Amino acid sequence: ELQLVESGGGLVQPDRSLRLSCAASGLSFEYYAMHWVRQAPGKGLEWVSGISWNSGSIVYADSVKGRFTISRDNAKNSLYLQMNSLRPEDMALYYCIKDSTAMVTGGFDIWGQGTMVTVSS
Amino acid sequence: QSALTQPASVSGSPGQSITISCTGTSSDVGGYNYVSWYQQYPGKAPKLMISDVNKRPSGVSNRFSGSKSGNAASLTISGLQAEDEAVYYCSSFTSSSTWVFGGGTKLTVL
Repeated sequence: ELQLVESGGGLVQPDRSLRLSCAASGLSFEYYAMHWVRQAPGKGLEWVSGISWNSGSIVYADSVKGRFTISRDNAKNSLYLQMNSLRPEDMALYYCIKDSTAMVTGGFDIWGQGTMVTVSS
Repeated sequence: QSALTQPASVSGSPGQSITISCTGTSSDVGGYNYVSWYQQYPGKAPKLMISDVNKRPSGVSNRFSGSKSGNAASLTISGLQAEDEAVYYCSSFTSSSTWVFGGGTKLTVL
């Protein structure tokens, strides 16, 4: 079964850091681009960042550029999101997502269940 | 990266057809055939329903179809069923090589 499992969420103070991880199983992780999408409580979806299959293409939403860093380890079937200088507006459920293509241009065809990030003092 | 524009809500009776619109610009919807649609039930992760404007992933009912004209895309659900009641989001690739979502449309089956 194709599965993405996020971890690393939690309560963090403003301006602190947090690292999210996503473990993939049941799929050829190394062949596909991956993304992070977040959803604030009661709000809509917001795309955060994407990375191509070989990390050659990395893109960010303006709202997180310069603060967040996406990375992947194909040998470990894992995706990461390093989040620095966290703000209250970063509080959301963060989804790890598989792209249907190797580049960041496909539909988001597999979603994890999400990991919650709460930013509060 | 302004969000795509979707109606906040639509409704229809069982058996009817409904269409959800998604309006962007020439820098996103109008510029690429990379428009997707997602269905989300409360408390659940979204599910891909349509990719590349009009492609249905395996397992998605053929009652769901997508189209695009200019800077606007549409999702049509025919033969409406109670189980279709959910929130639907469109998304598009952009000229910045990023993605943008619409605000979401709540579909109510009367």
